Amino acid sequence: NAGVTQTPKFQVLKTGQSMTLQCAQDMNHNSMYWYRQDPGMGLRLIYYSASEGTTDKGEVPNGYNVSRLNKREFSLRLESAAPSQTSVYFCASSERHGYQPQHFGDGTRLSIL
Amino acid sequence: AQSVTQPDIHITVSEGASLELRCNYSYGATPYLFWYVQSPGQGLQLLLKYFSGDTLVQGIKGFEAEFKRSQSSFNLRKPSVHWSDAAEYFCAVSSNTGKLIFGQGTTLQVKP
Repeated sequence: NAGVTQTPKFQVLKTGQSMTLQCAQDMNHNSMYWYRQDPGMGLRLIYYSASEGTTDKGEVPNGYNVSRLNKREFSLRLESAAPSQTSVYFCASSERHGYQPQHFGDGTRLSIL
Repeated sequence: AQSVTQPDIHITVSEGASLELRCNYSYGATPYLFWYVQSPGQGLQLLLKYFSGDTLVQGIKGFEAEFKRSQSSFNLRKPSVHWSDAAEYFCAVSSNTGKLIFGQGTTLQVKP
């Protein structure tokens, strides 16, 4: 019973490099989310996909792009990584968008030098 | 705007003692409220949720929370804390745009 799976778990990048974080869920959920977690700031929403075929910006979208590949998969891309994007990234999914609990993956720890 | 405040950044309790973690929210309508727990190096796990009805909700791992509309609070409680409860706890509210808004978290340390 995998739930939400994120890959990779750890990554170190150099400034300017690009990277795609992968996320897949096996719960047949319609909605998927990307968050970043930084010390003292809780979780901040980067992008979300309320349903397959749609994506929308969250609170902190600058420097990121997303792709909802199919109902199961939602990827996050850093086109030109910056040190300010060093963070822990979490993917989450919910049965539908709004007023639903979200189920989280174990995170990707990303360091940008 | 909707917001969630967890006034305590860090709390230390002795094993076996009772626990209460505070959460205050700002939301115009009936809120949908959640508590999550995050163990070190892990993702967030849902402890419990409140949508409507009974204001005292039971969750997993022996946790409960009480919704108090008059105080705009949704405090998390446990009668007897175990060492394995040491973690970070997040309160969240589902906003009218469908997004989850999280508090900044409370780190719980358990003394033997």
